[in-house]
Amino acid sequence: EVQLVQSGAEVKKPGESLKISCKGSGYSFTSYWIGWVRQMPGKGLEWMGIIYPGDSDTRYSPSFQGQVTISADKSISTAYLQWSSLKASDTAMYYCARQLYGGSSSYYDYWGQGTLVTVSS
Amino acid sequence: SYVLTQPPSVSVAPGKTARITCGGNNIGSKSVHWYQQKPGQAPVLVIYYDSDRPSGIPERFSGSNSGNTATLTISRVEAGDEADYYCQVWDSSSDHPGVVFGGGTKLTVL
Repeated sequence: EVQLVQSGAEVKKPGESLKISCKGSGYSFTSYWIGWVRQMPGKGLEWMGIIYPGDSDTRYSPSFQGQVTISADKSISTAYLQWSSLKASDTAMYYCARQLYGGSSSYYDYWGQGTLVTVSS
Repeated sequence: SYVLTQPPSVSVAPGKTARITCGGNNIGSKSVHWYQQKPGQAPVLVIYYDSDRPSGIPERFSGSNSGNTATLTISRVEAGDEADYYCQVWDSSSDHPGVVFGGGTKLTVL
């Protein structure tokens, strides 16, 4: 059974750093892209970027380039999303998801349960 | 960048048919995928490649895509279908290829 299990909720202060995780199981972790999606409170889904754990090839949405870092450790089948200096506007639910490619399109077939990040002074 | 437009809300009586649209420039030339998100839960894929259903998704869910509009159709709507629905495409036409989501549609079952 394919599973993506994310790390638990975090409460941080502005300016602090944070790294959240997404552990894959039940499939070949190095053979599928992993994407990260933000959902701010009461809002829609926003695509942040993707990583291919096999070779750590990473792509970012222009909206998030330079704001976050996506990485992966294939030895432990885990992808990461990190911030060096959090802002209150980073308060959101963050989802990881397995991204499938086929032809000229791509979509998410399995999602993590989400990690709630709250940034408040 | 590519923009997907969804109506903020759609209401339907139980047992009727709900149609949720997703508009985009020549979206018929792209493959559209749909997700259902219930309150407090992660999104779930309900339609991929315009009209394919993942295993476990009821046949009541169907999709179509032509011209400038893609449509998610839910037949014989049930109370349990009440959720937010998002369309999604892969935009390979820009300098920065990537996933694009629509703004989401809240389906209310009356």
